[in-house]
Amino acid sequence: SQQGEEDPQALSIQEGENATMNCSYKTSINNLQWYRQNSGRGLVHLILIRSNEREKHSGRLRVTLDTSKKSSSLLITASRAADTASYFCATDVSLYNQGGKLIFGQGTELSVKP
Amino acid sequence: SAVISQKPSRDICQRGTSLTIQCQVDSQVTMMFWYRQQPGQSLTLIATANQGSEATYESGFVIDKFPISRPNLTFSTLTVSNMSPEDSSIYLCSVGLFATNEKLFFGSGTQLSVL
Repeated sequence: SQQGEEDPQALSIQEGENATMNCSYKTSINNLQWYRQNSGRGLVHLILIRSNEREKHSGRLRVTLDTSKKSSSLLITASRAADTASYFCATDVSLYNQGGKLIFGQGTELSVKP
Repeated sequence: SAVISQKPSRDICQRGTSLTIQCQVDSQVTMMFWYRQQPGQSLTLIATANQGSEATYESGFVIDKFPISRPNLTFSTLTVSNMSPEDSSIYLCSVGLFATNEKLFFGSGTQLSVL
């Protein structure tokens, strides 16, 4: 069953603007990950934040995690047209921290206009 | 990292038939998973493919409908049996290399349409 809810469902911005996507979840997690999907095909891993971390950066990506609120946000700064894709959060709920059992959110469809 | 080859990339099938999807990885991996993505939806985990034993299915998915094999650490198959139009989805193989990290690598998916 889905446990991640993302908002907004769709986001349209101009190139150069920042894009913020939010994710909420329901159960305890080992970590939370963000993935990108182009044109409904294979997903690409963007960034992982562990349950004991609060913020992480990778290039133009910034992710935050608030375990008390069971929520996370992904910020893409200085967006480019090539960032147009669907973005999914995924929570790792594996038993015994074995890894790999991910529950995906509903996704945010980002459109960056040139 | 891991390179995943998933075949076929797409297929159009008749109701009542079965389709087997193959997932080949270029290195031995700890975990292999199968996901389904229905049109316009997110990904749902079907099962964990276990090497040398029966797959572990998630709620709502059963072995008779989605038999899975994993004969070794680099290969797995998912069969969609007795298909109906409701099975039209993208099916994705994913793998984890948990000796090094906890992220998943995904195949490019199989777009299945059932008429």
